[in-house]
Amino acid sequence: DGGITQSPKYLFRKEGQNVTLSCEQNLNHDAMYWYRQDPGQGLRLIYYSQIVNDFQKGDIAEGYSVSREKKESFPLTVTSAQKNPTAFYLCASSVPTSGNTIYFGEGSWLTVV
Amino acid sequence: AQSVSQHNHHVILSEAASLELGCNYSYGGTVNLFWYVQYPGQHLQLLLKYFSGDPLVKGIKGFEAEFIKSKFSFNLRKPSVQWSDTAEYFCAVNARAPGSARQLTFGSGTQLTVLP
Repeated sequence: DGGITQSPKYLFRKEGQNVTLSCEQNLNHDAMYWYRQDPGQGLRLIYYSQIVNDFQKGDIAEGYSVSREKKESFPLTVTSAQKNPTAFYLCASSVPTSGNTIYFGEGSWLTVV
Repeated sequence: AQSVSQHNHHVILSEAASLELGCNYSYGGTVNLFWYVQYPGQHLQLLLKYFSGDPLVKGIKGFEAEFIKSKFSFNLRKPSVQWSDTAEYFCAVNARAPGSARQLTFGSGTQLTVLP
């Protein structure tokens, strides 16, 4: 099946530790995104990548890092510098020919304890 | 910068009631408009989208939305809701401009609860 796969679905992390969330897509989409979802705040863009080996900061990039070495993969690292990392993280992808319609993965819950 | 407002944070309806969720955006140029739905425990799914043409667009599960350019609005409607429509609904706007991939902006969401 084509789609976007995020792993792990649930993750617990101790304060001060970095953690990497995986995102893989087999839709052959050029663009990929990471959003953070918090209650009452909708979705906020962390990073996005329009092409392999290139990525741009979104609205809330501080404390996060990404890489885009392959078209199908866009991992997100939540670093210890992120002050409030407990959240629901959503990976997405899109292709311009569909008007940039964005398709989402199932999300990853990160809890910092 | 563009912004999206969803004024209803939580809507509670009985089954068979009619639904209208408001969405207003602020952007002076050409936009693509979307409604996404997130059912409990599931990922965000595209409900419907507007790019151009007929301003009344129909989506899945009997939902429709009307783009009113003069009001900068893209309200979501359904004539008769079902219990299974209980979910969170997000309006999103994408400015249609070169290099605008990052311009997809989401509203804060509206939680719809349908009582059986």
